Amino acid sequence: QKEVEQDPGPLSVPEGAIVSLNCTYSNSAFQYFMWYRQYSRKGPELLMYTYSSGNKEDGRFTAQVDKSSKYISLFIRDSQPSDSATYLCAVPNPSGGSYIPTFGRGTSLIVHP
Amino acid sequence: DAMVIQNPRYQVTQFGKPVTLSCSQTLNHNVMYWYQQKSSQAPKLLFHYYDKDFNNEADTPDNFQSRRPNTSFCFLDIRSPGLGDAAMYLCATSGGREEKLFFGSGTQLSVL
Repeated sequence: QKEVEQDPGPLSVPEGAIVSLNCTYSNSAFQYFMWYRQYSRKGPELLMYTYSSGNKEDGRFTAQVDKSSKYISLFIRDSQPSDSATYLCAVPNPSGGSYIPTFGRGTSLIVHP
Repeated sequence: DAMVIQNPRYQVTQFGKPVTLSCSQTLNHNVMYWYQQKSSQAPKLLFHYYDKDFNNEADTPDNFQSRRPNTSFCFLDIRSPGLGDAAMYLCATSGGREEKLFFGSGTQLSVL
């Protein structure tokens, strides 16, 4: 079983829609979770970083963690064409005495005008 | 602006011909990482350095090696590239363990 799984999409929505991106993980010991955004032919950039269950909000973005079901979500309100990108969730995986982000394959989002 | 810079952006090599990808950072971060990302797949960690302490992932092929001569630079050497090594190679840094990663724009490697 993979550490983290995502539906690759693509998910296509009209501008202004509320977008829900989801991720499941396998290890209940994970303590924090991350969402990265990756534009085409670019490196990922961190969007959200959350330690606990519940919601964390940052502008139009809300990250939600449900540890009981090992499910994490990213909501985007008032989506814009500039939000078109691949969204990767990541969990910390032990490696060499540290915890290194292990990524899902990402969900491709297309927001059309 | 402080950043992570990867060169070149695009690299074409021949099957079996050694190739080196480079990464530099102006963030003065202790930790540097190399990830491999194939099309529509998750970035896969190859190895990481905490300062000069090298950590190799168990499933990283022996064909891949890395050097970090100083804090600012890190290199990925592929000794004998195969067709299956064609991918985007991403360098990242972080200020410490369990901190957020800052990525470069990647090097897209093609193997002919």
